[in-house]
Amino acid sequence: DAEITQSPRHKITETGRQVTLACHQTWNHNNMFWYRQDLGHGLRLIHYSYGVHDTNKGEVSDGYSVSRSNTEDLPLTLESAASSQTSVYFCASSDRNPYTDTQYFGPGTRLTVL
Amino acid sequence: DAKTTQPPSMDCAEGRAANLPCNHSTISGNEYVYWYRQIHSQGPQYIIHGLKNNETNEMASLIITEDRKSSTLILPHATLRDTAVYYCIVRRSYSGNTPLVFGKGTRLSVIA
Repeated sequence: DAEITQSPRHKITETGRQVTLACHQTWNHNNMFWYRQDLGHGLRLIHYSYGVHDTNKGEVSDGYSVSRSNTEDLPLTLESAASSQTSVYFCASSDRNPYTDTQYFGPGTRLTVL
Repeated sequence: DAKTTQPPSMDCAEGRAANLPCNHSTISGNEYVYWYRQIHSQGPQYIIHGLKNNETNEMASLIITEDRKSSTLILPHATLRDTAVYYCIVRRSYSGNTPLVFGKGTRLSVIA
């Protein structure tokens, strides 16, 4: 069955280190998204991509970057991790369908920055 | 996308129907109503969506009022595993490339 996976599921890192979170989907979806979720808050959009070599900033993109070299993967990089980036990160994907826009989410990565 | 208003929390007895309301009074003609849920520490899960007709699938039913200013998600026989935060989202059809915006949602607690 098609799916969306994230790795690692849990990560502890130190302030200032570069961290990359992986997201891989096997639905062949054009659209991919990264969200973060902090305790007591809803999901907030970090970056998104509508196809290979396309990337766009979301509402909380500072300190994060993404690149899309193929359809299946959208890795999220924290250039220099900060304690404020401790959060749960969710990746999602959706198809380019004119009548629906259902997003499918991965299981999440819990990141702790010490 | 139109703004939505949901109650912050609701309780439901196990085995009974859970009816989750959502107000979206500024919805426009080409905007769909989507429902997602998030079970504790899992990724959000798509439930159902609709434009103006009532919809039903294996998970739930969606009732949209005739004026489309409000809707109700119905879980016909709630179980403990339905305890989650439920998000109502209004967004236009896929003519524009706008990502989902999640609000605070309704925290549904199913009680044994």
